[in-house]
Amino acid sequence: TQLLEQSPQFLSIQEGENLTVYCNSSSVFSSLQWYRQEPGEGPVLLVTVVTGGEVKKLKRLTFQFGDARKDSSLHITAAQPGDTGLYLCAGEGMNRDDKIIFGKGTRLHILP
Amino acid sequence: ETGVTQTPRHLVMGMTNKKSLKCEQHLGHNAMYWYKQSAKKPLELMFVYSLEERVENNSVPSRFSPECPNSSHLFLHLHTLQPEDSALYLCASRDSNTDTQYFGPGTRLTVL
Repeated sequence: TQLLEQSPQFLSIQEGENLTVYCNSSSVFSSLQWYRQEPGEGPVLLVTVVTGGEVKKLKRLTFQFGDARKDSSLHITAAQPGDTGLYLCAGEGMNRDDKIIFGKGTRLHILP
Repeated sequence: ETGVTQTPRHLVMGMTNKKSLKCEQHLGHNAMYWYKQSAKKPLELMFVYSLEERVENNSVPSRFSPECPNSSHLFLHLHTLQPEDSALYLCASRDSNTDTQYFGPGTRLTVL
């Protein structure tokens, strides 16, 4: 069974600090996605990474896909209250019939 | 606003009730999904419809019955649910060109 482990589960930090959250698996994925979900809303796609070692930047957010395509990280620089939310990673398997699987998420709270 | 709407946003029902959740998208996508999001669990894929045909049913109990009358609408019919079915039910549609899923805001379901 494929599993995606996200860590930490919860993170509360002060505005202006940097942070990194992780998404790990023993399985290889063809692609991995990061979503942010705010209270009362559905998840919104932030980025998709498809190549091992790939790094993508979205303003203050930096996403990296592991070389072996089993893990990913999300780094936020100078966090702001607007970054508060649930961050989910989701992986698509290598085979056509593989289902997309989600991690449990990291709940991030940025204190003003 | 992602273009995917869900109604109702909140639903409280007894175990003997029958209710339906509705999802609507006007993004021109051909694939639609139902997910279940429970506290402390990963997002669980329930059903997938592609071109109005069900292509995936992830061992979901028969008390959940999906219906896709056309490519813009998706329903989830509920009957004789259990308290453990209380969760946020999310609908998503998928852009086949970019493989991006667009989620609705969800229906918060409470089964008493």
